[in-house]
Amino acid sequence: GESVGLHLPTLSVQEGDNSIINCAYSNSASDYFIWYKQESGKGPQFIIDIRSNMDKRQGQRVTVLLNKTVKHLSLQIAATQPGDSAVYFCAENEGDSSYKLIFGSGTRLLVRP
Amino acid sequence: DGGITQSPKYLFRKEGQNVTLSCEQNLNHDAMYWYRQDPGQGLRLIYYSQIVNDFQKGDIAEGYSVSREKKESFPLTVTSAQKNPTAFYLCASSKITLDYNEQFFGPGTRLTVL
Repeated sequence: GESVGLHLPTLSVQEGDNSIINCAYSNSASDYFIWYKQESGKGPQFIIDIRSNMDKRQGQRVTVLLNKTVKHLSLQIAATQPGDSAVYFCAENEGDSSYKLIFGSGTRLLVRP
Repeated sequence: DGGITQSPKYLFRKEGQNVTLSCEQNLNHDAMYWYRQDPGQGLRLIYYSQIVNDFQKGDIAEGYSVSREKKESFPLTVTSAQKNPTAFYLCASSKITLDYNEQFFGPGTRLTVL
């Protein structure tokens, strides 16, 4: 079936370095992608989203890149801070059903002081 | 403040009992969702609703039931038929427009079956 997955379950980075979290998706009909951050014991928090008619979108310290050719999504965090430590999930919509999301299993980001 | 609230934060249940988790939103969102999250895993969709008095099953609806009598409220009942109910339950809501909209999540309810 269709699935969203991640390459690395855990990523450890030095404070101040840039972080890159990757995500592969398999549903070629998906046209909306979103990244969430989840701190321990809390609900996911929206970070950034991107439509399939774009290949890059920037926010505050974050950039999402979309490569539709290889069905790959990445989240780049600039100057990673201790507060960025969390689990990051990518999600895609289920084809043209924009309100239904399929979530990946998550990547844990650990920031070393 | 606008947002989504879930209660209680922690819930303990004996085997064989039904339990209802509350979810309320004051964001005026049309769509609401329930997800289940197990340790170290992603979110799996249980039920969702796009409009009052209507809802659809998600990927793991067995053993759960919902109602949507009001736009603001989408309670989830975990029934005794759910074989492994211990998990973290997340409620979310979103707008429904011609464009895509992110889902906003509540703080979650951690259910433990004793």
